[in-house]
Amino acid sequence: AAGVIQSPRHLIKEKRETATLKCYPIPRHDTVYWYQQGPGQDPQFLISFYEKMQSDKGSIPDRFSAQQFSDYHSELNMSSLELGDSALYFCASSLGGNTQYFGPGTRLTVL
Amino acid sequence: GENVEQHPSTLSVQEGDSAVIKCTYSDSASNYFPWYKQELGKRPQLIIDIRSNVGEKKDQRIAVTLNKTAKHFSLHITETQPEDSAVYFCAANRVSNFGNEKLTFGTGTRLTIIP
Repeated sequence: AAGVIQSPRHLIKEKRETATLKCYPIPRHDTVYWYQQGPGQDPQFLISFYEKMQSDKGSIPDRFSAQQFSDYHSELNMSSLELGDSALYFCASSLGGNTQYFGPGTRLTVL
Repeated sequence: GENVEQHPSTLSVQEGDSAVIKCTYSDSASNYFPWYKQELGKRPQLIIDIRSNVGEKKDQRIAVTLNKTAKHFSLHITETQPEDSAVYFCAANRVSNFGNEKLTFGTGTRLTIIP
């Protein structure tokens, strides 16, 4: 069965640079979520989209923005990167009120 | 907002014994409680979930119990095997006919199975 796809899998950036993470949800899933997981931490919710509209917002810095496109894929844009942004970024998708399935994650390292 | 507490943070169990992980939640509106298993550097993977209209659910060696009155739920793994070693996260959210809210995770339990 098709799973959530994320790209890139690994990303290394310098401080103050920008990064764009991409997520392709499971086909026919209508909701996409972004989570950030620091080392040894639990995943923290950033933002979600339902049917291409932002549905909820969590602890997402103002330097980050996200959107969902007409083909349902989503992008997380991160600007003015800081050392503390180094983390695993997971995208998850669900169909309505059903299980959230996680993608493999993007490991972002900010130097 | 929802707050989920999880205990213990680490748990070592002899192979073949049982492991129990407990979570409490704060928002009485939460009605969906999944458990995820995460290996180092990998994605969280759903292992079992329970909805608030059910008190217990079992899937082979894994079971989850829910006490809505006390707002706590537990994961039980029986006949543990080395491949059960991982970090386990409980989570809670509110699911409605209009969609799915964000998951609020517990802080995780690092389970180690001792051969």
